[in-house]
Amino acid sequence: EAGVAQSPRYKIIEKRQSVAFWCNPISGHATLYWYQQILGQGPKLLIQFQNNGVVDDSQLPKDRFSAERLKGVDSTLKIQPAKLEDSAVYLCASSLGRGTGITSTNTEAFFGQGTRLTVV
Amino acid sequence: AQSVTQLGSHVSVSEGALVLLRCNYSSSVPPYLFWYVQYPNQGLQLLLKYTSAATLVKGINGFEAEFKKSETSFHLTKPSAHMSDAAEYFCAVSYTGNQFYFGTGTSLTVIP
Repeated sequence: EAGVAQSPRYKIIEKRQSVAFWCNPISGHATLYWYQQILGQGPKLLIQFQNNGVVDDSQLPKDRFSAERLKGVDSTLKIQPAKLEDSAVYLCASSLGRGTGITSTNTEAFFGQGTRLTVV
Repeated sequence: AQSVTQLGSHVSVSEGALVLLRCNYSSSVPPYLFWYVQYPNQGLQLLLKYTSAATLVKGINGFEAEFKKSETSFHLTKPSAHMSDAAEYFCAVSYTGNQFYFGTGTSLTVIP
């Protein structure tokens, strides 16, 4: 079974520039997550999709970050314009994610290798 | 708010010694609990998970964790550390089975 694919693996940009990351989840996984992992910290959820709808984007800095999941499969995360503090690893994850609570069939998130963003 | 606390951002053990990484959750409702491992420049890999079945959970690479409701803990252990165990370990919690919140991580160093 193919895992979660992310590209690019590394990206270096100057502040105020724009950048986009791409994620292809595991086939059949309804839920897709984007996490931001700053060096020395745990992953922080930015946005969660269920199919092509947003479930939670409460921690997404919406003035500069945007994400979409057209057709409920692949997803892109964009930063425009980037700031120095956006330097981090951006992790994409997916899970089966059918429903929530005690009827949920989802009890594991599978992660991609991440995109390491450096803003200079 | 749902959260997990990992005590000790850095843990060092000698090769062959017991590994103990601590995780406590903050909720009156028992959640799903997970341990993930992250090797340098890699994504997170699931080690084991607790989903309200057996309280002692066995995972990959000889790791196990015990859910203790009275202590709101889910500590990760391994009887004998290997050099290959050196990595970053993250405890995570989920209450809906569909959203995951991670601790700040514990970096494990194994000394030859």
